[in-house]
Amino acid sequence: DAGITQSPRHKVTETGTPVTLRCHQTENHRYMYWYRQDPGHGLRLIHYSYGVKDTDKGEVSDGYSVSRSKTEDFLLTLESATSSQTSVYFCAIRSGTGNQETQYFGPGTRLLVL
Amino acid sequence: KNEVEQSPQNLTAQEGEFITINCSYSVGISALHWLQQHPGGGIVSLFMLSSGKKKHGRLIATINIQEKHSSLHITASHPRDSAVYICAVNTGNQFYFGTGTSLTVIP
Repeated sequence: DAGITQSPRHKVTETGTPVTLRCHQTENHRYMYWYRQDPGHGLRLIHYSYGVKDTDKGEVSDGYSVSRSKTEDFLLTLESATSSQTSVYFCAIRSGTGNQETQYFGPGTRLLVL
Repeated sequence: KNEVEQSPQNLTAQEGEFITINCSYSVGISALHWLQQHPGGGIVSLFMLSSGKKKHGRLIATINIQEKHSSLHITASHPRDSAVYICAVNTGNQFYFGTGTSLTVIP
């Protein structure tokens, strides 16, 4: 599992409230990713980080922000949660380079926005 | 338009059957990955391919770079193989994921 944990694992919240999800890794990987997984869609990239304080948007970044103040932690924040953000959120790290590059995933966080 | 298409979306098999899941992609890639996700569970990597074929136990993965196609085969399927199988491609800039094939193996 490449030492990746996510917290919380389950969250129920109300529309309009802020939510922060945490991804923690123990192996000093430079690249970290946040994806969401929804029925009928493949995993979709929300944001990613290529180092401390270095982040960039993915294809579904609207309504989300991220922060990475230290190598081991990558935080995903929903400033004002909406029902459309009900999803399963996966954090991932990148390991290897070139055609040996692969991603390892955390256990996921199930978020329900009522 | 999806960069990665998988078929079938759903598959039910009897224990012991030979299973094939297909993946087609439309972008240039450095590698293709097959991932497994059990119900309610996390995602684990089964194979990473950039050419040819790889085998691990009862699982075999093949890729044809010219045709932009990969297959995942499961020989002598077992109920514990029931899971969602996801094809993903690495373009060198980012990963694209298929929507997954949900496999159910009936005893």
